[in-house]
Amino acid sequence: GQQVMQIPQYQHVQEGEDFTTYCNSSTTLSNIQWYKQRPGGHPVFLIQLVKSGEVKKQKRLTFQFGEAKKNSSLHITATQTTDVGTYFCGGSGSARQLTFGSGTQLTVLP
Amino acid sequence: ETGVTQTPRHLVMGMTNKKSLKCEQHLGHNAMYWYKQSAKKPLELMFVYNFKEQTENNSVPSRFSPECPNSSHLFLHLHTLQPEDSALYLCASSQTESSGNTIYFGEGSWLTVV
Repeated sequence: GQQVMQIPQYQHVQEGEDFTTYCNSSTTLSNIQWYKQRPGGHPVFLIQLVKSGEVKKQKRLTFQFGEAKKNSSLHITATQTTDVGTYFCGGSGSARQLTFGSGTQLTVLP
Repeated sequence: ETGVTQTPRHLVMGMTNKKSLKCEQHLGHNAMYWYKQSAKKPLELMFVYNFKEQTENNSVPSRFSPECPNSSHLFLHLHTLQPEDSALYLCASSQTESSGNTIYFGEGSWLTVV
């Protein structure tokens, strides 16, 4: 079945440093979604990418979808303590539902 | 306020107990989901209902029994659970059961089985 791998599992950064998490699929994806889960909270939708090579920005967050539509990345520039949380990617290929990666837990040290 | 409300938020139950988790969505969506989230594991899809019909049962043990009386309500009935079933159970909804739709999660029900 479809698998979505996400790396790294954990990342500790100093406030102000950049952060990137990567999502890789075993199959071509029709779309990929990114979610953020704050500590003790629930996953909240951030963005969806659909087109090959697509790049979208939300303030300090940059999302990319690979040309082959098998990988994606989320990059945060100049992290802040409010960025703390776990970032999940979810992709779908032939399945009706999203398959989620295991998430990257980001810790930002002040 | 997420538009998806789950109760109870916390539940402790013995292995011989029977309890239920409740979910209600106020978003006018037609698809509802149960996910299990354990430490260090990906979000595990358990069940999917689309227009009140169950469309997915992801090999979930029969001690978990879902019920969807209408498009706005979803229950997860629990009986004779095991300690390894302790986890955060997330209810979610989307417009329809299409992978291109955004999934809106509830705040979750923390379940501890003792």
